[in-house]
Order: sequence, then C-alpha cells, then structure tokens
Amino acid sequence: DTEVTQTPKHLVMGMTNKKSLKCEQHMGHRAMYWYKQKAKKPPELMFVYSYEKLSINESVPSRFSPECPNSSLLNLHLHALQPEDSALYLCASSHEPTSALTDTQYFGPGTRLTVL
Amino acid sequence: DQQVKQNSPSLSVQEGRISILNCDYTNSMFDYFLWYKKYPAEGPTFLISISSIKDKNEDGRFTVFLNKSAKHLSLHIVPSQPGDSAVYFCAAGNTDKLIFGTGTRLQVFP
Repeated sequence: DTEVTQTPKHLVMGMTNKKSLKCEQHMGHRAMYWYKQKAKKPPELMFVYSYEKLSINESVPSRFSPECPNSSLLNLHLHALQPEDSALYLCASSHEPTSALTDTQYFGPGTRLTVL
Repeated sequence: DQQVKQNSPSLSVQEGRISILNCDYTNSMFDYFLWYKKYPAEGPTFLISISSIKDKNEDGRFTVFLNKSAKHLSLHIVPSQPGDSAVYFCAAGNTDKLIFGTGTRLQVFP
C-alpha cells in the first residue's frame, strides 16, 4: 500500500464553521506533512510531524490546528477561516523523520477547500 | 521573494524528443533537490532527486543535472512520451526547509 488518502475531496465552509481535514497512510511512515497550494502557485509547507510530534510549524495562523493522533493519521482542524484560506490542502508522508524534508514524500490527492 | 523559480510556465515537446525543464534557486544553503510531477486531481508524485555532492543523477528516462555555482538544476526527459504531460515542480531545501518552484506545465504531443 503506497497510498496517502485524504478526506473529504471537497469542502465548502462558512467563516464561522469548524471542520476537519483527514489524512491517512499505512506505509509505516513516521513523518507527515500538511501543505497549502493556491491556484497557479507551488505547494507551501504548513506543518511537519515527526514521530507524531509537531516538529515544524511554518508560522501558520492558529485558525489551523494540526493533530497527529497516531502514526497513520493526520488531521487539520479548521476554525474561523477566511475566504483567502480557500486552497488545495495536500497531505504527504515520508519514511525518515530525521531528514524529513529531503526524504521522498508521498502526497495524497488533496482536499479542495472553499471558504465562503 | 520566490527562492525557487521555474521561469517557463509551460513547455511543448514532440513525442520522442527531449524535454528540458529548468529550475533556479537563490539560497546557497539548499543541499537537496527534488522533482515532482503532478497530474490534475492528484497529489504530486516524486520523480527524482539529487544532493549537492553530485552534479548528475539518472533514473531511466529521467536525468537531473545540478550546477551549484549557477544555482541551477534541470530535468531532462528522453525520450518524451505523451504520458509525461503534467505539471513538473522542482523543490529545493535542506533538513529545515523545503521550497517548491512555481511549476512548468509540460505538454508532449504526438
């Protein structure tokens, strides 16, 4: 199983809603990532988890709250988002946390989020 | 300030010929470089990588060249195939940072 799955595929939410994005992998990877990708822009790293602990937070606003309940799951909790947060949110995982950012990352298909 | 740039947003190549995708970076602290391919409605897929101690890495039809003095890397695809049509992202970084380029859309036509 070399797949990273993400749910939901699409999400529309209002600025007062609370929602969560989910990511799952069963490759035994111990590093997991959240990226944000706006249209016609490159993916931008948001968070890195190594061995279920947050190791990198790229100064992401607190309205995005990541959670790694176990080595296979990664969540991104969303609250009080703004319309400019509308984007494709990509999850990825890689095998080796000690060199996480340079290790081959396996990406999920993404969740396309629209904030109204 | 875009630290990793792909100055060609699109490239069109005939099937069987060579595709050359270019990438420039500004941070001399970057020591690892990767190429990812992305099809519509899918996440990026890893293609090939190179570390700063090498200047070339080859994997089948894909070769990545690194010119550290020029802070430039390129991806060569030979021969190009229609299934190679996708958006290609280069990424550069180290253990603390990874920056993706803006992407080049490659179209391989018969």
